Amino acid sequence: AQSVAQPEDQVNVAEGNPLTVKCTYSVSGNPYLFWYVQYPNRGLQFLLKYITGDNLVKGSYGFEAEFNKSQTSFHLKKPSALVSDSALYFCAVRDGYNFNKFYFGSGTKLNVKP
Amino acid sequence: GAVVSQHPSRVICKSGTSVKIECRSLDFQATTMFWYRQFPKQSLMLMATSNEGSKATYEQGVEKDKFLINHASLTLSTLTVTSAHPEDSSFYICSAREGVNSGVNVLTFGAGSRLTVL
Repeated sequence: AQSVAQPEDQVNVAEGNPLTVKCTYSVSGNPYLFWYVQYPNRGLQFLLKYITGDNLVKGSYGFEAEFNKSQTSFHLKKPSALVSDSALYFCAVRDGYNFNKFYFGSGTKLNVKP
Repeated sequence: GAVVSQHPSRVICKSGTSVKIECRSLDFQATTMFWYRQFPKQSLMLMATSNEGSKATYEQGVEKDKFLINHASLTLSTLTVTSAHPEDSSFYICSAREGVNSGVNVLTFGAGSRLTVL
């Protein structure tokens, strides 16, 4: 069965410091992994995806994610956090058989303090 | 990039009435759209997959007769919450998949619709 786990409900970081939002996954077949960000009362915005290739994926707004197959993880990272990065972040995995189906993690609220 | 427009962004209705939410793909054709429901501080729950020209595919536990989905064109899907009750109050989000033929598989989301049933 496909699933995504985001172990942290909330991550607090000071502006300018590096940030990491954790995600682990379970999927049958090759993993197609995604990160989305949601601002209050808004839909989700695509940040980045891993399909194949380099384990380090670069995305929008300076975010990147590292795919680690042995640890089945896809952590989101940014070298220097901004206050404007404060939002809700969702990790997602596409179903290995039903390409229309995506599984979302429970979300991690990122708080960046000035 | 791909844009999905969702309307209305907020709607308040009386219990027992029906509410229609529209989801449009503005610059691409979407043979498949998806409807999600999000409870406060929780993740997205897939309600149904909307297929252009055919019946929607509902997830287990989602009432087909309460949540009517129509996908009449390649750019428009509608979700109608029929005989709404306070427990139907939620944030509803639609999405569409761009690049079906290329296998890009990126979901583009609408801004969401906050439904409040009094």
